[in-house]
Amino acid sequence: DAGVIQSPRHEVTEMGQEVTLRCKPISGHDYLFWYRQTMMRGLELLIYFNNNVPIDDSGMPEDRFSAKMPNASFSTLKIQPSEPRDSAVYFCASSFGAFWIPYEQYFGPGTRLTVT
Amino acid sequence: AQSVTQPDIHITVSEGASLELRCNYSYGATPYLFWYVQSPGQGLQLLLKYFSGDTLVQGIKGFEAEFKRSQSSFNLRKPSVHWSDAAEYFCAVAAGNTPLVFGKGTRLSVIA
Repeated sequence: DAGVIQSPRHEVTEMGQEVTLRCKPISGHDYLFWYRQTMMRGLELLIYFNNNVPIDDSGMPEDRFSAKMPNASFSTLKIQPSEPRDSAVYFCASSFGAFWIPYEQYFGPGTRLTVT
Repeated sequence: AQSVTQPDIHITVSEGASLELRCNYSYGATPYLFWYVQSPGQGLQLLLKYFSGDTLVQGIKGFEAEFKRSQSSFNLRKPSVHWSDAAEYFCAVAAGNTPLVFGKGTRLSVIA
């Protein structure tokens, strides 16, 4: 398997622009997670899906952030409008979870976002 | 809610020396515990995990970790560090079917 695939790997944009990050989870995994990593705040869980349904989006910083999972093999994280403080590395991860036990998450390589 | 503490932000060890990275968790029942490693510019990779059974678990790259319920700890160890082990290490805990809670990470530097 190719693992979790994220695109683009690097994104540089100007403040106010819309940014869309993409993720393809590992085939067969039913959980998908979006994280943000910064030096100041570490690794933060933004939102996660189970069977394409958003379960918890309490980590989404504000309404400028939105995430979708239209099917089992694709998810997007959108920031509109972007701000310099959104600059971070965004990770997507997927896992296969049974009801009673969490399986390990497999992480993608991340998208490094720079907002100028 | 569960939480994870990694007391050491940065550790420097000499190549060939032994390593121990500390992790303490807070959770009322038996947690599920994980150690991940992140090399520069990369995503996180699972090193090892503890679900139940033997409290000493072996992982990849020669790492091991020991679950100590009495100390609420899950420390990561390696008997002889290689320069390629320089990376960021994250401890994580989960309870039931909930997302992992990650610690802040410990950055490991290896010197010759």
